[in-house]
Amino acid sequence: AQSVTQPDIHITVSEGASLELRCNYSYGATPYLFWYVQSPGQGLQLLLKYFSGDTLVQGIKGFEAEFKRSQSSFNLRKPSVHWSDAAEYFCAVGHNSGGYQKVTFGTGTKLQVIP
Amino acid sequence: KAGVTQTPRYLIKTRGQQVTLSCSPISGHRSVSWYQQTPGQGLQFLFEYFSETQRNKGNFPGRFSGRQFSNSRSEMNVSTLELGDSALYLCASSSGLAGGINNEQFFGPGTRLTVL
Repeated sequence: AQSVTQPDIHITVSEGASLELRCNYSYGATPYLFWYVQSPGQGLQLLLKYFSGDTLVQGIKGFEAEFKRSQSSFNLRKPSVHWSDAAEYFCAVGHNSGGYQKVTFGTGTKLQVIP
Repeated sequence: KAGVTQTPRYLIKTRGQQVTLSCSPISGHRSVSWYQQTPGQGLQFLFEYFSETQRNKGNFPGRFSGRQFSNSRSEMNVSTLELGDSALYLCASSSGLAGGINNEQFFGPGTRLTVL
């Protein structure tokens, strides 16, 4: 079945430490890939997206993600986390199903940043 | 530019009632998508409207419907509310150009619906 998996429900990192959030998908073709962030009480904000081309994608707020076709992964990284990065992060996949375009989100990873 | 606005922000209804939520997209955006967010099911895509027509849809029952007006504002209607419809309903807008909902979407703050 087509799916998006974020295996880490909750991650805690120290401020200044590096971060990697995992995302795996199972779709036949290379889908459209997104990472969104949701801060408490806020809507979602797009961090970055991958459609084609260079597999390393730069986003806003110092985030980057790497598409690895062989691993069906699109992991999000940041070299140095700031306290303001505490939020919930969602990986999403855009794909075609039954003649319609659809977007499927992962279950999210809550990031806690400790001083 | 003003962002995506959703009204109302909070709503309480009882089972069996119907509800209408409203979304005003960013000026110039022609595509509006709706999502349901619940702790159990996560974020789920409901449908997308573009130029007053439903262009894409997810896997929700017919109780969930929507429409879009000529000014791109959109409404979502849920009839015969069930307890499980309690959720945060998010609206997102995009330019709607080639790529459909795979274009960058800008989300509103959501409407929190509670069904008692």
